[in-house]
Amino acid sequence: GAGVSQSPRYKVAKRGQDVALRCDPISGHVSLFWYQQALGQGPEFLTYFQNEAQLDKSGLPSDRFFAERPEGSVSTLKIQRTQQEDSAVYLCASSYTGGAGEKLFFGSGTQLSVL
Amino acid sequence: RKEVEQDPGPFNVPEGATVAFNCTYSNSASQSFFWYRQDCRKEPKLLMSVYSSGNEDGRFTAQLNRASQYISLLIRDSKLSDSATYLCVVFLNQAGTALIFGKGTTLSVSS
Repeated sequence: GAGVSQSPRYKVAKRGQDVALRCDPISGHVSLFWYQQALGQGPEFLTYFQNEAQLDKSGLPSDRFFAERPEGSVSTLKIQRTQQEDSAVYLCASSYTGGAGEKLFFGSGTQLSVL
Repeated sequence: RKEVEQDPGPFNVPEGATVAFNCTYSNSASQSFFWYRQDCRKEPKLLMSVYSSGNEDGRFTAQLNRASQYISLLIRDSKLSDSATYLCVVFLNQAGTALIFGKGTTLSVSS
């Protein structure tokens, strides 16, 4: 596609509900990143894929967070038993190889509100 | 201590002013450095990379001081359209090749 596409754009969940956020990266981009951005903060790294391999998940805040990219293209970030502190914008980004100095292309994000 | 630190501002300047933002990073092994721009409720977009020799792109000048672990962004002749949050970003070549973002510095340019 022309850019990184994320859906849904907005998601309201009740506390305890499971949610799934989708990211469709730029076609041909090997690397895919998920970031969490709380209001007034910079994006915080969550996890990184190179093709279908999840090379780094050190930023996932708890075992309630799970990400996958089974065919090396579309990725899903799943949050189980959502809590109010999970409310944030979840940004997906992709890059051609993920190498040093490479530009990241971000999607518009999914704004998650947990009530 | 956070990996990348920035003064959050806000910086309120009139059109035509020159404004400078600073950023420090904690990991001396950091390899690459960038400034990203984020408009309100929008995604971050790359503004410019930062090279050791310093680099300029129009009204924007970025500099890197590896010894002091310090990065700067200078904006000359500020425009209303420069109003945004400027994110200092560092690439750490560790097991996870992720970009680490600062919290951002907010700039507001007024007429």
